[in-house]
Parts: sequence; structure tokens; C-alpha cells
Amino acid sequence: GESVGLHLPTLSVQEGDNSIINCAYSNSASDYFIWYKQESGKGPQFIIDIRSNMDKRQGQRVTVLLNKTVKHLSLQIAATQPGDSAVYFCAENIGSGGSNYKLTFGKGTLLTVNP
Amino acid sequence: GAVVSQHPSRVICKSGTSVKIECRSLDFQATTMFWYRQFPKQSLMLMATSNEGSKATYEQGVEKDKFLINHASLTLSTLTVTSAHPEDSSFYICSGPPAVQGGDTQYFGPGTRLTVL
Repeated sequence: GESVGLHLPTLSVQEGDNSIINCAYSNSASDYFIWYKQESGKGPQFIIDIRSNMDKRQGQRVTVLLNKTVKHLSLQIAATQPGDSAVYFCAENIGSGGSNYKLTFGKGTLLTVNP
Repeated sequence: GAVVSQHPSRVICKSGTSVKIECRSLDFQATTMFWYRQFPKQSLMLMATSNEGSKATYEQGVEKDKFLINHASLTLSTLTVTSAHPEDSSFYICSGPPAVQGGDTQYFGPGTRLTVL
């Protein structure tokens, strides 16, 4: 994942627009990726995940795209709503089971939805 | 998704005191739980992996004698911040993957805001 920084990237969109949040990861051995949403003062909330054998996965109003060639992950939110305003983190994991459940988080993106 | 709770949700303590934070998986069992720390406007940083019935494993740079972890049962892990100082003020979050689910999904607790005066 990305190194932790002191400045949170921000994205501001109008209600109803589509949002695209990007994440670059550094470990080519990572095989499982997750997007989390974190509202102020709360723990991260699972949004959607994708394994490295896929390049696209869709959920309700959300789509995750994975480009392993350039080690890039994106989260697309359709028809963004004010309730989507939060910080969004990508996280990566190598392997599965036991301590290999360890996640490395990206720096996060603050999404602000304007009514 | 599975539910993880933390207690307390926020705590204020004096410098030099110790604070215990509990992390419980309410509807699943977890042989492994994770403790993260998050400073304002920053990402989550993994502190340690809590293993049921054995010693925790700590990430590089995390003092194991300062952040004591106990995972006494499949539903409870505790983090004790010993001799807390103002620089320990942070948002502490735990997570756990269900042991029987066989997947990688982690479920996070609501976090504990620690303020050391």
C-alpha cells in the first residue's frame, strides 16, 4: 500500500455525480484488495473486495477495478449521495489465513458530496 | 457482516496511568485479531496481531512492553496502554476475521478514542 502521509487527498463531487477514487499499491504479491469507508469518529466499514484473479467486481452502486499491470485499484461510486461523504481507504493483503490476514492500508481519500 | 465491539468508546486519562481497551467479536469467533492506531487525518497503522492462546506479534517500531495485548478467548482481545503519555493519544481500532468463514474479510470495531492529558 501507499505510505502514510500527513495530507489526505480530497475529492469533491456534486450529488448525483459518479465518483472515482484511486489507489496505488506497491506490493506485486498482494492478492486480495478491499475498499473501506470510514466516517468521522468511526471504524472502517467494508464496502467491496476483489481478488487478484479478477479485474472488475460490482456491488450495489459501487464498482472496483484492479489493474495489476500498473498496480492500481479504483473505486467507482455511482450516483453519489451526501451519505457517501467519508474517507475511503484501500487495503491490500498477501495470502490468506492466520497472520496473513494482515492488511496494509493506503493513505485514504476524503470524499465530500455537495448537495 | 460480523459485529465487533470496543469498550470504552472514548477515554481520557492522566499521563503515567494505564488504560485497557477491550475488543469483542459478538457473533463470530476469531483466533486472530488485529490492533491498529490512527492519528488524525492519517491512515490506519497496524500495531500488532493478537493470537488466541499465544503471544501477540508486534509490528516493527511498536513497543510490546508498552502496548500489552491479551487474547484470552476466541471472542475477546484486550490492548493495555501502559504508562500512557500524550503522544499515545490516538484512535485505536481492532479488527477480526471470522475463524470459520475461511475468507479474508476483516470486520472492524468502532474504535476507541484515547486522550492522554
